[in-house]
Amino acid sequence: KQEVTQIPAALSVPEGENLVLNCSFTDSAIYNLQWFRQDPGKGLTSLLLIQSSQREQTSGRLNASLDKSSGRSTLYIAASQPGDSATYLCAVTLTQGGSEKLVFGKGTKLTVNP
Amino acid sequence: GAGVSQTPSNKVTEKGKYVELRCDPISGHTALYWYRQSLGQGPEFLIYFQGTGAADDSGLPNDRFFAVRPEGSVSTLKIQRTERGDSAVYLCASSLTGPFVPTEAFFGQGTRLTVV
Repeated sequence: KQEVTQIPAALSVPEGENLVLNCSFTDSAIYNLQWFRQDPGKGLTSLLLIQSSQREQTSGRLNASLDKSSGRSTLYIAASQPGDSATYLCAVTLTQGGSEKLVFGKGTKLTVNP
Repeated sequence: GAGVSQTPSNKVTEKGKYVELRCDPISGHTALYWYRQSLGQGPEFLIYFQGTGAADDSGLPNDRFFAVRPEGSVSTLKIQRTERGDSAVYLCASSLTGPFVPTEAFFGQGTRLTVV
């Protein structure tokens, strides 16, 4: 059974700091990996999608890497801002027998202090 | 609309009642998913539709839960004889699928269900 773990569970940093969020998964047979942002009481906003054949994706101040063989992904946030405060969720997509599903970690709650 | 739309945004119901939650996916997206998120947890898979058919309903917790997507677009999640443990945020997502299309999932804002 695929399990996704995110560490740390919570992180508090001063504004301007660069930071790394970690995600690990137990089964390397994934279709892709997706990072999401969730604000309190809101749905999920897709940040980056990395296909299983890719090593990294970048969008603005965000960079996500994927090492499928070791079951790890990182989300790097450069020059953090208070507006980056949210919960960040990592999810792997599994495809099996005509089904597709995302398996999520519990998330990392990020607080960026002004 | 441009995104995934879920209605209602909030639903309070009494234990034992029947509820329906609606999801309007992004136009043209053939895949539709329902997830359930409890406080402090990541979303958990409930059911996956490809077109009109439920390709995988292995995440539905019991037979009180049922979902339909009769025309391959709008989906309704139905919960019978609600229990307090059903209280959670129910999230819907949709995506394009195909061998050369990245299966990026887009989520709605969710329906917060509270069973009292």
